[in-house]
Order: sequence, then structure tokens, then C-alpha cells
Amino acid sequence: AQSVAQPEDQVNVAEGNPLTVKCTYSVSGNPYLFWYVQYPNRGLQFLLKYITGDNLVKGSYGFEAEFNKSQTSFHLKKPSALVSDSALYFCAVSFQKLVFGTGTRLLVSP
Amino acid sequence: EPEVTQTPSHQVTQMGQEVILRCVPISNHLYFYWYRQILGQKVEFLVSFYNNEISEKSEIFDDQFSVERPDGSNFTLKIRSTKLEDSAMYFCASSVDRGRTGPQHFGDGTRLSIL
Repeated sequence: AQSVAQPEDQVNVAEGNPLTVKCTYSVSGNPYLFWYVQYPNRGLQFLLKYITGDNLVKGSYGFEAEFNKSQTSFHLKKPSALVSDSALYFCAVSFQKLVFGTGTRLLVSP
Repeated sequence: EPEVTQTPSHQVTQMGQEVILRCVPISNHLYFYWYRQILGQKVEFLVSFYNNEISEKSEIFDDQFSVERPDGSNFTLKIRSTKLEDSAMYFCASSVDRGRTGPQHFGDGTRLSIL
């Protein structure tokens, strides 16, 4: 089945440190990959996407993601975490509909 | 920035009753979607809608569910006879493009509680 996996339920990082939220995919053909963020009692907000081209994709709020075809990964990164980045992060693959991973809760401590 | 708006934010309904969840997609968007998120679980696709017809639906979207675009702005999800397991957050989304490459824009959701 074509899917994405987020192996970590939660990631803890101190403010100012770099953060990585992991995502791997299992897709036949070219993967169209997305990251969304969900704040409490809100919908999902689009962060960034990989369609084709450069493996490093830059998105909103200073986030970026690295597409790695050999490792079938699309990890979300940020050089310096903020407390306000604390939220639930979802990786997704698009087949017109979005197929989401299980989500990773990011907790940034002051 | 234009937003997808959903009403109500919270709906409490007795089991067996009909419920209609309402969404106003972004005005120039052509593709519309419903997703649901059961508490503590991942977001699941229900249905996509384009040109006044269903483009795709998941196995969750059985005969109890229906969608409609009754006018030029609203997009509704109806559950005819609700079950306890229908309790979830329901998210509406819309996109300009045919979903695969363009981002989908989500509303803040309707929390449906079935008693």
C-alpha cells in the first residue's frame, strides 16, 4: 500500500536547537510529498511540498525538508527551534487525495 | 489571506439523527474535500468533489454519507443516521488545482460528538 510513516510520536527539543521530524514514504512512481502543521483546535496548515527538482525544499516559518530518494525519506527540519513551533506535524503523500502519516508532536522547551 | 470556513465548530447530536456539516471553500477553488480525524488518530480522507460530482471516495464514505454543493459557495457533508463511531473532527479542504501538486487549504474543523 502506498503510504507515509512517521516513526516518532513525539520529538522534544530545546529552543534554539535544530529540529528534525522524520517521515518515510512508500510510493510507486514519483512521490508528491507534503508537510502540514496542526495547532490546537485548528485545521492543518500547509508548510511545504516536494514535487520535483531540488531535494531541499524551503517552506513557511523557516522550515525546510530534505527529499532523499535512496532512503525514501522526507524529513522536516529547522535550524533553530522556537517555542511557538510546538504543534502536531503531519507528513502526507498526494494522490489528489492526501494520505497522511500518524503525526508527530513537536515539543519545544524554553 | 482567504480561508476555508466551517460551521458549526462543535456539533452534538443524538445517535441515529441526521447531521449536516457546512463549509465555505476559498472562492476561486474548484476542488473540495472532506477528511476526518478521530481523536488521537491520523487524518483520513473521506471524499473529493469536483464539477458537482464525487471524484473519489474512501471506504469510510458509505451510503450514510453524502456531499452537496447547494449553491456557489457552500459545500456540505451530510450523515443520515449517525453512529457513535462517527464522533470525530471533520475537516473541509479546498484547492485550486487537481490536488496532486497544489496544496489543499483546510478549515478549522467541526467537532462532531455523537451521544
